[in-house]
Amino acid sequence: EIVLTQSPGTLSLSPGERATLSCRASQSVSSTYLAWYQQKPGQAPRLLIYGASSRATGIPDRFSGSGSGTDFTLTISRLEPEDFAVYYCQHYGSSPSWTFGQGTKVEIK
Amino acid sequence: QLQLQESGPGLVKPSETLSLTCTVSGGSISSSSYYWGWIRQPPGKGLEWIGSIYYSGSTYYNPSLKSRVTISVDTSKNQFSLKLRSVTAADTAVYYCARGITTWDYWGQGALVTVSS
Repeated sequence: EIVLTQSPGTLSLSPGERATLSCRASQSVSSTYLAWYQQKPGQAPRLLIYGASSRATGIPDRFSGSGSGTDFTLTISRLEPEDFAVYYCQHYGSSPSWTFGQGTKVEIK
Repeated sequence: QLQLQESGPGLVKPSETLSLTCTVSGGSISSSSYYWGWIRQPPGKGLEWIGSIYYSGSTYYNPSLKSRVTISVDTSKNQFSLKLRSVTAADTAVYYCARGITTWDYWGQGALVTVSS
């Protein structure tokens, strides 16, 4: 079973700053099956990135994903006020199964 | 535009069965090669995949919940359903239904289910 560990737990930044979020898998995974979601309070998660680096429909280009093997990164180049939220990584396994990381909260400093 | 909507009791007693239905509109639940899934989120915590049903009717469950979960589909009503048996307070969560393949691209708004006597 793949375990996804996200860090840091909380990221305190100001609007306009760059955010770098990490997702580490317990074993090597295919980047094809690594995704990122954004969740705001009281809302369902929204798909941001799939295939580790492809933006979902309508996602601004300030969001980018990268990585391979066990280490993946979500970068928000310049934080906008609406970007303060919780972010989850997710892996699709072959069983099939879907595993989420525990989340990283990006809060206003 | 595809829409999903969860419905069901918001309060369930311990040891009883939690039942939720997801109604899909804007697309047919049986016409495409998608999974239809249930994902839950305890208050203040992260996301947990519960299980999924493929458009063909095959089901897949999280091993940690498999013994208590049943997911079924009613294509005539364009709905799929979740039953979680023998619930405890630890099953209190917002339950989301969603559509996807390797990722979940459409989600319902979520339904809070509280387990309490």
